[in-house]
Amino acid sequence: AQSVSQHNHHVILSEAASLELGCNYSYGGTVNLFWYVQYPGQHLQLLLKYFSGDPLVKGIKGFEAEFIKSKFSFNLRKPSVQWSDTAEYFCAVIVGAQKLVFGQGTRLTINP
Amino acid sequence: KAGVTQTPRYLIKTRGQQVTLSCSPISGHRSVSWYQQTPGQGLQFLFEYFSETQRNKGNFPGRFSGRQFSNSRSEMNVSTLELGDSALYLCASSLLGTGANVLTFGAGSRLTVL
Repeated sequence: AQSVSQHNHHVILSEAASLELGCNYSYGGTVNLFWYVQYPGQHLQLLLKYFSGDPLVKGIKGFEAEFIKSKFSFNLRKPSVQWSDTAEYFCAVIVGAQKLVFGQGTRLTINP
Repeated sequence: KAGVTQTPRYLIKTRGQQVTLSCSPISGHRSVSWYQQTPGQGLQFLFEYFSETQRNKGNFPGRFSGRQFSNSRSEMNVSTLELGDSALYLCASSLLGTGANVLTFGAGSRLTVL
């Protein structure tokens, strides 16, 4: 079955540190990939998406992600995190143009 | 424009009862999807409706059902509630459906089953 793996369950960083959250998917066909963020007490919001074209996509709040087809990966990066980036981050892939399959999520804690 | 609206935001039920949750999509969006979010299982797809028809269904028992009305508003129903149904139920809407568009999520309905 298709799946999305986020290997980091809880990441703790200090402000200004660089961030990379891993995401791997197991689906051999054409994929549409997403990163969503859920801030404490808020609803899921789209950070960025990849449908086609440039594999390096930029999202809101300084986040970016790189689609590496050969590695089935779509890792999320930010060069310098802020305390306000504390949230849960979800990688997701559209499977068969019918449903969004989510990873388990990575909880990110930024210490001031 | 208004986002995806889910009601009620919080509710408490007891085992064996049933519950109905409502979702109003963004104006003009014709697709509504439902997801269940729990700490143990994460976000899992329940079903998707488009133009009042269920287009896809996840791996949930028949106690979970839904429907969509002509104005694109959707409801989901869970009958014979079990403790394990305690979760945040998220609704998401899109213009034409999951494959074609980005989903916009509502704040969710948090169900507690006692």
